[in-house]
Amino acid sequence: GQNIDQPTEMTATEGAIVQINCTYQTSGFNGLFWYQQHAGEAPTFLSYNVLDGLEEKGRFSSFLSRSKGYSYLLLKELQMKDSASYLCAVREKGGSYIPTFGRGTSLIVHP
Amino acid sequence: EAGVTQSPTHLIKTRGQQATLRCSPISGHTSVYWYQQALGLGLQFLLWYDEGEERNRGNFPPRFSGRQFPNYSSELNVNALELEDSALYLCASSKRTSGNNEQFFGPGTRLTVL
Repeated sequence: GQNIDQPTEMTATEGAIVQINCTYQTSGFNGLFWYQQHAGEAPTFLSYNVLDGLEEKGRFSSFLSRSKGYSYLLLKELQMKDSASYLCAVREKGGSYIPTFGRGTSLIVHP
Repeated sequence: EAGVTQSPTHLIKTRGQQATLRCSPISGHTSVYWYQQALGLGLQFLLWYDEGEERNRGNFPPRFSGRQFPNYSSELNVNALELEDSALYLCASSKRTSGNNEQFFGPGTRLTVL
């Protein structure tokens, strides 16, 4: 099984940088996903990490350290529209393609 | 390209009734996943269908069931509804052979059990 932990809520200021951490415990790691979910809407895919290191996509970057069971999502130049829940999900080896989701981090961006 | 669609948007039932939720995947996607998202909880995996067969099942009682049709659309059935079944039910689809197996989510069905 898996145990995924991420902060419940974070607040940040428009234009700033915020880092959302995710730690996990798994018997056989096979990929980590980050999704963004605005209130009342479907989650949308942000990033996928399977190897150690930083993946950058515009204002968003995701980092993975498999040895530490740790990932973070970095959001730069925050905008009001970035206020949303950010979901970390981990997939295990074993043939199943089903990622296990954390409870999500609610990010509030204020002016 | 049309995204994942779900119907109905909202559904209100009473305890003991049955609910049927529907999902149409993105064209070309053969896998459909169902998740339950209750208030304050993360997405809980319910069921995975691929090529018409149930491939995996989450830790939910048998009254949660479903099926996948030849056109890859899917139904989720919840029998003997209980108050705690009130949640947002999300459907996602993916290409079965996709390396990162990115899942595309639908807008969800909000089920309220009174």
